[in-house]
Amino acid sequence: SQQGEEDPQALSIQEGENATMNCSYKTSINNLQWYRQNSGRGLVHLILIRSNEREKHSGRLRVTLDTSKKSSSLLITASRAADTASYFCATDRVQGAQKLVFGQGTRLTINP
Amino acid sequence: KAGVTQTPRYLIKTRGQQVTLSCSPISGHRSVSWYQQTPGQGLQFLFEYFSETQRNKGNFPGRFSGRQFSNSRSEMNVSTLELGDSALYLCASSLLGGEAAGYTFGSGTRLTVV
Repeated sequence: SQQGEEDPQALSIQEGENATMNCSYKTSINNLQWYRQNSGRGLVHLILIRSNEREKHSGRLRVTLDTSKKSSSLLITASRAADTASYFCATDRVQGAQKLVFGQGTRLTINP
Repeated sequence: KAGVTQTPRYLIKTRGQQVTLSCSPISGHRSVSWYQQTPGQGLQFLFEYFSETQRNKGNFPGRFSGRQFSNSRSEMNVSTLELGDSALYLCASSLLGGEAAGYTFGSGTRLTVV
């Protein structure tokens, strides 16, 4: 079963705009990770945020984590056509570590 | 360094047959996990191996099994295939279990059961 929900399920924006995706989860976590998947290929690890962190940056990516609301957001700034992909959040739970639980994903389309 | 290698990339099998998928992790990585991805259920955890021992198992029937060898390479086996087993099977490797830096995934094996 899925850990939580991702919102929105699909997002279409113009190149250069910012994209924000949200993720909610249900149980206590060690960390939350974001992955990208292009056209049914393998997952690419983007960023990991620990449960005691509130915000993390990596290049054009910004991730926030609110453990009180059990939610996270991924912001991609200055989007590019190459960012078109599906994005998944995954939690590494306190109960059942080393076992990622994925959300359903957000399908992001960047229009040139 | 070489990434995670999964073989074969594509596979077509008939109901009732069995299949073995292979995963070679990044050199030095000792943890290998397997995930099933379907349009209906999304990404679901199958099992995780560390130093040849299964540490975690997901909620899949006993038809799904796996093992890890001393060189950390892993195989998963599905017996008595059903149509619903058609999926993308992904393997992920990490040094110890992904807690520090996440997992590196292979490109997956696309299994079609007819």
